[in-house]
Amino acid sequence: NAGVMQNPRHLVRRRGQEARLRCSPMKGHSHVYWYRQLPEEGLKFMVYLQKENIIDESGMPKERFSAEFPKEGPSILRIQQVVRGDSAAYFCASSTSTDTQYFGPGTRLTVL
Amino acid sequence: EDQVTQSPEALRLQEGESSSLNCSYTVSGLRGLFWYRQDPGKGPEFLFTLYSAGEEKEKERLKATLTKKESFLHITAPKPEDSATYLCAVQPSSGGYQKVTFGTGTKLQVIP
Repeated sequence: NAGVMQNPRHLVRRRGQEARLRCSPMKGHSHVYWYRQLPEEGLKFMVYLQKENIIDESGMPKERFSAEFPKEGPSILRIQQVVRGDSAAYFCASSTSTDTQYFGPGTRLTVL
Repeated sequence: EDQVTQSPEALRLQEGESSSLNCSYTVSGLRGLFWYRQDPGKGPEFLFTLYSAGEEKEKERLKATLTKKESFLHITAPKPEDSATYLCAVQPSSGGYQKVTFGTGTKLQVIP
């Protein structure tokens, strides 16, 4: 059973460009969560999605950030007009219900 | 607001020197407490879920325990490969979905 998959693993963008991060949950999992982690800091919740629905986006910045989990295909975290402060590791997790979450390997975003 | 405090921030052990990591939490009713291991540059790896005070779970050299206010991760006779950051997280039980709050972790180094 393949684990949570994220791509790309590393992403470099210049200020003002768009970043698209993809997450495929574990087989059988319909709940997806996105977290951000800065160096030497803990995981910060961003958004929780189920298929075609955003359940909780209380941790997501109001501007430039959006997330979706379409009926078909991976979940996407989109960051428009990136700034240097967006540089971080972004982790996706999935679960079968609202219980134990299993994490992917992360996408490391660097904004030049 | 839910809070998770982990101590110590960093711990250095000699191989074979047993010790414990602490996770203190404040939550309005506990649905679950989670322990994860995170290696540098990787995503958190699930270790344990604990649901009620008095519960204990073991895996190889690790044993997790839970009280009403804190959890301990006991490491018995650690090996260098146990070196990692250990993360604790809590999920409150207040009806339906509740988001998970993570601590900042304990960075464990086991010296041969």
